[in-house]
Amino acid sequence: QVLLVESGGGVVQPGRSLRLSCAASGFTFNNHAMHWVRQAPGKGLEWVAVTSYDGTYKYYADSAKGRFTIYRDKSRSTLFLQMTGLRGDDTAVYYCARAPESGYDPIYFDHWGQGTLVTVSS
Amino acid sequence: DIQLTQSPSTLSASVGDRVTITCRASQTLSTWLAWYQQKPGKAPKLLIYRASSLESGVPSRFSGSGSGTEFTLTISSLQPDDFATYYCQQYNSYTLTFGGGTKVEIK
Repeated sequence: QVLLVESGGGVVQPGRSLRLSCAASGFTFNNHAMHWVRQAPGKGLEWVAVTSYDGTYKYYADSAKGRFTIYRDKSRSTLFLQMTGLRGDDTAVYYCARAPESGYDPIYFDHWGQGTLVTVSS
Repeated sequence: DIQLTQSPSTLSASVGDRVTITCRASQTLSTWLAWYQQKPGKAPKLLIYRASSLESGVPSRFSGSGSGTEFTLTISSLQPDDFATYYCQQYNSYTLTFGGGTKVEIK
């Protein structure tokens, strides 16, 4: 079955960096676009970034542009989110989510990981 | 960015009730809208895509309708497992956006 397992979350000071990972299994990773979606404590869902199946195309939410980088390692079937310049409003559970298709067109998410909590605090 | 407004934000209902949640978009979406269910401490789960297509494995008591700027999610007969928060999501264009959520509570 499709399995997405995030890791890398934790407590980090404002201005510092953190890298999140999402290990994928149970499907052909290279056939699907992949996304990051986050959820601040007690709040709704916010899309963060997408990478196409081959990593060629990437789009970011305004809140992530210039600070976050999404990328993927096809040899390890792993998705990453490199986050720099972290701020308090980046505190959230970060989910990786699979798109049902390979392209970079706007799409929905058919499978989600369990999430990893990032807390930005001094 | 396209704004999605869900109503109501909270809904109290009983087992067996028919429940309807509305999602209104600030721009036309055609039918590029999905619905998710989320339980506390868990990841969202896809219920409906393309406004009315039921995701595989989702009970048939869930249905979606609408196009353009107004969409609805209906649960025909609320079951104990359905008490959760529901979100709509548009995929007409980037930035992908979600509605604010509707919490379905036990009456």
